[in-house]
Amino acid sequence: SAVISQKPSRDICQRGTSLTIQCQVDSQVTMMFWYRQQPGQSLTLIATANQGSEATYESGFVIDKFPISRPNLTFSTLTVSNMSPEDSSIYLCSGKEGNTEAFFGQGTRLTVV
Amino acid sequence: AQKITQTQPGMFVQEKEAVTLDCTYDTSDPSYGLFWYKQPSSGEMIFLIYQGSYDQQNATEGRYSLNFQKARKSANLVISASQLGDSAMYFCAMREGRGYSGAGSYQLTFGKGTKLSVIP
Repeated sequence: SAVISQKPSRDICQRGTSLTIQCQVDSQVTMMFWYRQQPGQSLTLIATANQGSEATYESGFVIDKFPISRPNLTFSTLTVSNMSPEDSSIYLCSGKEGNTEAFFGQGTRLTVV
Repeated sequence: AQKITQTQPGMFVQEKEAVTLDCTYDTSDPSYGLFWYKQPSSGEMIFLIYQGSYDQQNATEGRYSLNFQKARKSANLVISASQLGDSAMYFCAMREGRGYSGAGSYQLTFGKGTKLSVIP
């Protein structure tokens, strides 16, 4: 199955700053997704990253706060903007491969201080 | 209503024993897929097993098997011969629909997870 390389694996950031997370896939995938996992919680979908068009955001998530890029079928970025301590979470990107698997990057553990 | 329910926040199992992690789901879509993932403390999500709604047989992958009871809308994960390395969070997830209608149809909805601890 495909492999996603996600970086950074972790970061500690000052409030008010922004962090861009990158995901590189070793093959072309039509659909990529970004999830947030708050401490002790399950995964919540932020948005679906579409190649060549704007991302589709879920309720409660907006483009100004979480801008996403998808310049081609193997790469995507998520930016967490104007961070606050409430943004401290694990952020995960995911790709779809066929119908029987969704594979994930290694995750980015973000702490905002 | 929750689409995926995992009622066991935490489970303990003796090493080499089998353990069942519960998952029930709610959907009116006749076409759906059910997934189980393992998340160790490192945070990565490791795909374990998949069951399609039209699959006639229960899925198996090595020591993992999925006890799929469609009428009861349950998809329990069975881990046989538990190992210390199995200690982790386990998430059940569902994908609804065939996704042909466009973006968003392939997203996964996750349960709250079960923390499994394997005791030596």
